Amino acid sequence: QKEVEQDPGPLSVPEGAIVSLNCTYSNSAFQYFMWYRQYSRKGPELLMYTYSSGNKEDGRFTAQVDKSSKYISLFIRDSQPSDSATYLCAMSVGSSASKIIFGSGTRLSIRP
Amino acid sequence: GAVVSQHPSRVICKSGTSVKIECRSLDFQATTMFWYRQFPKQSLMLMATSNEGSKATYEQGVEKDKFLINHASLTLSTLTVTSAHPEDSSFYICSARVPGLAGGGRETQYFGPGTRLLVL
Repeated sequence: QKEVEQDPGPLSVPEGAIVSLNCTYSNSAFQYFMWYRQYSRKGPELLMYTYSSGNKEDGRFTAQVDKSSKYISLFIRDSQPSDSATYLCAMSVGSSASKIIFGSGTRLSIRP
Repeated sequence: GAVVSQHPSRVICKSGTSVKIECRSLDFQATTMFWYRQFPKQSLMLMATSNEGSKATYEQGVEKDKFLINHASLTLSTLTVTSAHPEDSSFYICSARVPGLAGGGRETQYFGPGTRLLVL
């Protein structure tokens, strides 16, 4: 069993829709949870960072962590074609500057 | 945010040759850098952690004699793929640890743009 599970998609939604991306994990020691966006042939870009459980909002993006269920989510409101990318969930036991375990990534396409 | 560069962005080489990839932190000093490998449609897999002035720490299953890492300065780490073979073809990405800001802020990693290696 992988430490982090993520549906690879692809996921295609119309512009303006709310997008929900999810990951599950098995290691209860994870404390730091991140979402990265990766465009084709580019390095990952940090989108959201959450410590422990709860919600965090940044503009159109909301990250949720439910440690009791070992489940994290990223919501994108008012999705735009420029949001089309691969979204990687990631987590670590220590700070986000220590060893990070990535999900396999979900390919998202926003249709104009 | 912090900027991390990689060079080259793309390299094609013959089987059996060695390839060096550079990772630089452009506007900060990075005592720790990480090297990842990403195969098509797969996630990033950590290969090794590179600490300035000391030996790299390799993840299980990664051959240290094949993937040589040198972190000789606070702004540069290099990954050399020795005697490359077609199965080494992949997307290699480095990241650099950015320390927390004084008075607050968190440590995090910033990623380079990646290097695409194709071994013929």
